[in-house]
Amino acid sequence: SSELTQDPAVSVALGQTVRITCQGDSLRSYYASWYQQKPGQAPVLVIYGKNNRPSGIPDRFSGSSSGNTASLTITGAQAEDEADYYCNSRDSSGNHRFGTGTKVTVL
Amino acid sequence: EVQLVESGGGVVRPGGSLRLSCAASGFTFDDYGMSWVRQAPGKGLEWVSGINWNGGSTGYADSVKGRFTISRDNAKNSLYLQMNSLRAEDTALYHCARVNLAVGATDWFDPWGQGTLVTVSS
Repeated sequence: SSELTQDPAVSVALGQTVRITCQGDSLRSYYASWYQQKPGQAPVLVIYGKNNRPSGIPDRFSGSSSGNTASLTITGAQAEDEADYYCNSRDSSGNHRFGTGTKVTVL
Repeated sequence: EVQLVESGGGVVRPGGSLRLSCAASGFTFDDYGMSWVRQAPGKGLEWVSGINWNGGSTGYADSVKGRFTISRDNAKNSLYLQMNSLRAEDTALYHCARVNLAVGATDWFDPWGQGTLVTVSS
């Protein structure tokens, strides 16, 4: 399947760790990038490549990949991390594809 | 400051056409590929179309193939999306995004514009 599947929602206690996963066959060949989107705002890149953070993204965000699954981990989640998160990668035709999105709630 | 500003959205009837623009500033525009990404109200992100640095290579999502055309004018630092035969399901906020490449990494989108809203309704 060329789809990228994410859990619809996850919750995490303040200061704890949460992992968001993205599954898809194309992830065996391509890295995922990850985007954070808060209500009413444009998406913001948080992770790209093997595990790279753009300037300004806190080091509590990290990425990893194994087989057909890419993961975004937030270690020590903060209230401001509450948002929707989307993975993205290429599909078998070479086009881009976004994951279904995960809503992260910080309790 | 790197900036992308979209324009051209509006209300259009089913079957109608619209042309979106994205004005880029703060970087060397013709060093980068560009993409359009949309988000229907209350829904997730959907990649719509992409174009390489000189316009010689383009790609489209199946949902818009044959109806939308992406193009760019490097002299004007601008990206465009011509949308024809619009449908209700094309209603969305349309963002342009810069495509970044690096050795050993799959390309990624950064930055994004704030988007322009397209509403297809009779």
